[in-house]
Amino acid sequence: DSGVTQTPKHLITATGQRVTLRCSPRSGDLSVYWYQQSLDQGLQFLIQYYNGEERAKGNILERFSAQQFPDLHSELNLSSLELGDSALYFCASSRTVDPYNSPLHFGNGTRLTVT
Amino acid sequence: KNEVEQSPQNLTAQEGEFITINCSYSVGISALHWLQQHPGGGIVSLFMLSSGKKKHGRLIATINIQEKHSSLHITASHPRDSAVYICAVVTTSGSRLTFGEGTQLTVNP
Repeated sequence: DSGVTQTPKHLITATGQRVTLRCSPRSGDLSVYWYQQSLDQGLQFLIQYYNGEERAKGNILERFSAQQFPDLHSELNLSSLELGDSALYFCASSRTVDPYNSPLHFGNGTRLTVT
Repeated sequence: KNEVEQSPQNLTAQEGEFITINCSYSVGISALHWLQQHPGGGIVSLFMLSSGKKKHGRLIATINIQEKHSSLHITASHPRDSAVYICAVVTTSGSRLTFGEGTQLTVNP
């Protein structure tokens, strides 16, 4: 058990809708990372938060947004959903601000299906 | 060309065999991670290394910074090792991970 909790596990929704994915990091971890894994693109980094502040941005679409709350849990909001947004969305956490100073702990992912 | 390339893409082995998965990268890195993704989708971090060699049980990871190459070895492989193994690098240009496409390992009994 990595200690990282992601909810929901599965989400099925229609095109044009908006969804929110939630992540609770491992106790003591201040960094939260979001990744998208689709069949044709593999794993891609979306965004990182550290102690409530946005730290780094990757290939995150403008339709997507995220935030980290004072209790350190994070939410990834996906809006105006398209079929191509169907993917596994992973959250990971680490103790430090940089992903090379401490191990990463991954959640089990949220499988999003857009129909 | 991808910044992180893994080989082979697919690997089938018999139980007990010694397995090597390779990762080559073309960018400057601060660290390299080896990840294991189970058939159910969950990801487990196996190693994080920036130099030398690390060992955990039957798993060994090595990295050669000069040659920009890392290897993951599995000794005495077992069917439960069947998974996708993913190499990911932390580039010096930012605090983000860049992933390889993964190696699908199947170990037959």
